[in-house]
This record gives sequence, structure tokens and C-alpha cells, in this order.
Amino acid sequence: KAGVTQTPRYLIKTRGQQVTLSCSPISGHRSVSWYQQTPGQGLQFLFEYFSETQRNKGNFPGRFSGRQFSNSRSEMNVSTLELGDSALYLCASSLLTGSDTEAFFGQGTRLTVV
Amino acid sequence: GENVEQHPSTLSVQEGDSAVIKCTYSDSASNYFPWYKQELGKGPQLIIDIRSNVGEKKDQRIAVTLNKTAKHFSLHITETQPEDSAVYFCAASIGGAGNQFYFGTGTSLTVIP
Repeated sequence: KAGVTQTPRYLIKTRGQQVTLSCSPISGHRSVSWYQQTPGQGLQFLFEYFSETQRNKGNFPGRFSGRQFSNSRSEMNVSTLELGDSALYLCASSLLTGSDTEAFFGQGTRLTVV
Repeated sequence: GENVEQHPSTLSVQEGDSAVIKCTYSDSASNYFPWYKQELGKGPQLIIDIRSNVGEKKDQRIAVTLNKTAKHFSLHITETQPEDSAVYFCAASIGGAGNQFYFGTGTSLTVIP
């Protein structure tokens, strides 16, 4: 059974640009959550999508957005990139949404903003 | 929101010894507590989890305990091996709030052969 696939693995962007990251969840999983991981702030929740609807949103500015498609694949977009957006972006796949559902992470996309 | 604290931040043990990592949480509505292992260059890997209706769970060399009254939970690794070296994260999620995890700051475990 294939795991969570995130593409691309690495990205280098210039300040002010925008970027789109992709996540394909485990087959049959309908919930995708996104997290930002940095050495200073640790793992922070961005948002969760379930059945194409945003279910939860963390405390990030509106420059961070996402969407989910009918096949459960998800994308997140960051506009007007800032140096502080450099991080490892992780997506987590869950069968359902609910506070006690197992979540499985992908390898992440390493974004560097220069 | 929920606040999860994790200790220690670094831990070194001799191969074969036990390792214990402790976490506390603030919101009594939290009801699910997973533990993740993250190796260099990889995403977090779910290694064990516990739900609030259970006090202890064990899977081979790994066990997790939960004390709801004191709002703390712990990861226990017995007979440690060099391949256990990694960063371990605890997390908590609040009942009814979807798949939103609040993570601890991580423990870097080194197992010395």
C-alpha cells in the first residue's frame, strides 16, 4: 500500500513569488492536513481538508491557502513568499476526520525562500 | 488552544537501556495522543498512540502511559537499539476538533552502541 506522496521534495523560490505544493494521501483516505515544521516553531498546524472542504485552519496568514480535489489529493499554496516561510511542509493523511484518527505523514517538501 | 510540553529535549542512553520521554497537555478535552519518530530527512512516522479511555498501551519494546487526571503521558522504549536514535514528538488532539494535532517540541534520542 503506497504511503503519502508529496511533491516536489525540494523547492527554492525567491521572496515575493508564490508556490504550490502537492500531496497525494494514502488510497482511501479522505482527510489531508498540512503542517509547517521549522527549528524555531516546531510542527504547526496549517489546515485540514476533508471531502474537499476545509475543516480546520491554524493561525497562519491568508497567504497560506489550500484545496482538496475529488480524488482527495490536496494542494497548498503560499503567495508573496517571505524569508520566514522557509520550512519543511508536511502533509498528513487520515482515513476520516475526527480527533482520534491516526494520521500518517509524507516525507515533506523542503521550501527555501531566498 | 492546547499547549503540549515535552521533556527532555535531548536524551542519550546506552544500548540496551530504557528511555522515557514525558509530555504534559493543558486542555482536558484532548482525547488522542500519538507519538511520532522522525529520522533525518524523513517525515514523522507514527509509532504508537493512546486514546483517553485507556491508561496504557504496549507494542513490543514501546509503551505509552496516560494519566488524564495529571494531564500527562509518557513514551517508554525498552532495550534500546542504535536504530531507535531519532527525534520523537508527542502530540495531542482535542475531541471534536478534527485532525488538528498540537505537537511537543521534540526529544532527540541518541542510543550509544
